[in-house]
Amino acid sequence: KAGVTQTPRYLIKTRGQQVTLSCSPISGHRSVSWYQQTPGQGLQFLFEYFSETQRNKGNFPGRFSGRQFSNSRSEMNVSTLELGDSALYLCASSLVKENTEAFFGQGTRLTVV
Amino acid sequence: GIQVEQSPPDLILQEGANSTLRCNFSDSVNNLQWFHQNPWGQLINLFYIPSGTKQNGRLSATTVATERYSLLYISSSQTTDSGVYFCAVLSGGYQKVTFGTGTKLQVIP
Repeated sequence: KAGVTQTPRYLIKTRGQQVTLSCSPISGHRSVSWYQQTPGQGLQFLFEYFSETQRNKGNFPGRFSGRQFSNSRSEMNVSTLELGDSALYLCASSLVKENTEAFFGQGTRLTVV
Repeated sequence: GIQVEQSPPDLILQEGANSTLRCNFSDSVNNLQWFHQNPWGQLINLFYIPSGTKQNGRLSATTVATERYSLLYISSSQTTDSGVYFCAVLSGGYQKVTFGTGTKLQVIP
């Protein structure tokens, strides 16, 4: 069974640009959540989607958004990039049932210059 | 929101030594996971352990939910055990994982 797949693995963007990251969950998993990891803030929850609906959102500005498609694949978008958005972005998928085990992808490392 | 603290923050071990990593959480949780983050950033699932004790090879974990802590034991450590270990809890509704601060482990030959 394939794991959680995130693309691209690495990305370099310029301040002010926007970026879209993609996450394909494990087959059969319908919950997808996103996390940001930085050296200073650790791992922080961004948002979670289930059946194309955002069910939960972390404390991030509106520049961070996401969506989920009918096949459970998810994308997150960051607009008007800032240097502080440089981070490892991790996606996790879980089964339909709440509070079940989360499985993470390899992450997308975003560098904003 | 819930707070998750791990100790120690850093740990250096000689190969072959044993260690115990601790995770304390501030409120009741629905579930708890332990992860190992490899040098490339991927979080590898170690244990899904809301309560009780589980073992997997040289690793074992115990969660005492009523006392709000979990322990990860690493026995006969190897250099490949190096990396950062995270405790993560699921609380409230939905799949919102709150991560601990992490323990950075270095195993030296």
